[in-house]
Amino acid sequence: DIQMTQSPASLSASIGDRVTITCRASQTISNYLNWYQQQPGKAPKLLIYGASSLQNGVPSRFSGSGSGTDFTLTIASLQPEDFATYYCQQSYSTIFTFGPGTKVDIK
Amino acid sequence: QVQLQESGPGLVKPSETLSLTCTVSGGSISSFFWTWIRQPPGKGLEWIGYIYDSGSTNYNPSLKSRVTISVDTSKSQFSLKLNSVTAADTAVYYCARVKLIYWSFDLWGRGTLVTVSS
Repeated sequence: DIQMTQSPASLSASIGDRVTITCRASQTISNYLNWYQQQPGKAPKLLIYGASSLQNGVPSRFSGSGSGTDFTLTIASLQPEDFATYYCQQSYSTIFTFGPGTKVDIK
Repeated sequence: QVQLQESGPGLVKPSETLSLTCTVSGGSISSFFWTWIRQPPGKGLEWIGYIYDSGSTNYNPSLKSRVTISVDTSKSQFSLKLNSVTAADTAVYYCARVKLIYWSFDLWGRGTLVTVSS
């Protein structure tokens, strides 16, 4: 299976901060990388697919980049509703795997 | 708009079979892949498997020996069965739709907590 790692595991940030989360795959996955946001008690929500394509309805402050093994999710200006846990997911292999998550909380 | 809703028992005894159903409303179940994902309390996400409307399936090898996913297009439902459950199967179970572009999960149910306990 393709293993996914994320860093950091958690971070504290303030409203308006620029936040960057990194995801790394154990082997090359081209751009088959998706990002999800999960707010407490809710189902995950798709933010980014194909490493850099913004899902319909997702604010443009979210962006994704990367290919191969290293990927980044960036929140340009953190808003109150962005405090959540973020997961990456690879879909290069049809044994889909998720990263362990990055929790973003309020500083 | 399309909505997904999980249903089934919230408590299952060890060694028994966990059975859940996902009902798709507001849209067609046809021509899509549908998937189950679970999340143990306080932990991360684990993909369980997916099914196409034709009935073809793909399962996570770690669960393959215990999992069956089926579809009933006439009822706009797909189902999950997980047998021989243990406490380690306690989790929130989500159903979701698979977006074929990059195999992302673009629509999710609210999830249902299943506890395995005697």
